[in-house]
Amino acid sequence: QVQLQQWGAGLLKPSETLSLTCVVYGGSFRGHYWSWIRQPPGKGLEWIGEINHSGSTNYSPSLKSRVTISIDTSKNQFSLNLSYVTAADTAVYYCAREPLTEYYYMDVWGKGTTVTVSS
Amino acid sequence: SSELTQDPAVSVALGQTVRITCQGDSLRSYYASWYQQKPGQAPVLVIYGENSRPSGIPDRFSGSSSGNTASLTITGAQAEDEADYFCSSRDTSDDHLGVVFGGGTKLTVL
Repeated sequence: QVQLQQWGAGLLKPSETLSLTCVVYGGSFRGHYWSWIRQPPGKGLEWIGEINHSGSTNYSPSLKSRVTISIDTSKNQFSLNLSYVTAADTAVYYCAREPLTEYYYMDVWGKGTTVTVSS
Repeated sequence: SSELTQDPAVSVALGQTVRITCQGDSLRSYYASWYQQKPGQAPVLVIYGENSRPSGIPDRFSGSSSGNTASLTITGAQAEDEADYFCSSRDTSDDHLGVVFGGGTKLTVL
């Protein structure tokens, strides 16, 4: 059974770079996209971006200028970098798997990492 | 980019049927996926595609779609179904490939 384990710094100062990593246990990178999603306190889900096994990425237009998603297939992990964070980036960040099928969905999610941006 | 619109809150009496809707232009091209989220937990996929349920999701959950509207129906709602529900779909507006989420619907089981 595929599991996603994520980690990264939980407290940042404004203008710093958020860095999170998600490790995939029990599954292959091939045949899927791998996404990052965030959820500000008390609000809904916001898609950040995705990457496939070959490193092809898609990003949210609103975050594209600050986001980099990368993949390391040798370690079965993918990472999120978000630069120049502000208080508005405070959120729970999730990683998730998207099977490459005729339908779009995220079937496996990490438990989430709480990131707080505060001076 | 596209938007998906959901009612902020819906309530249902225990054992009754409730429909949660999601509207948006992207749904004319892509099926919605639906996620259940309970407080302090990660979202869980409950419906995807035309009307598919992942293993372990009760068959009281079903999905449908027409035009720009997708619906999640819970037939015989249980107390444990009280949660936030989010829809999502692919988004190919603005000549980019992305993903869009609805704002979420808080379901209360009375």
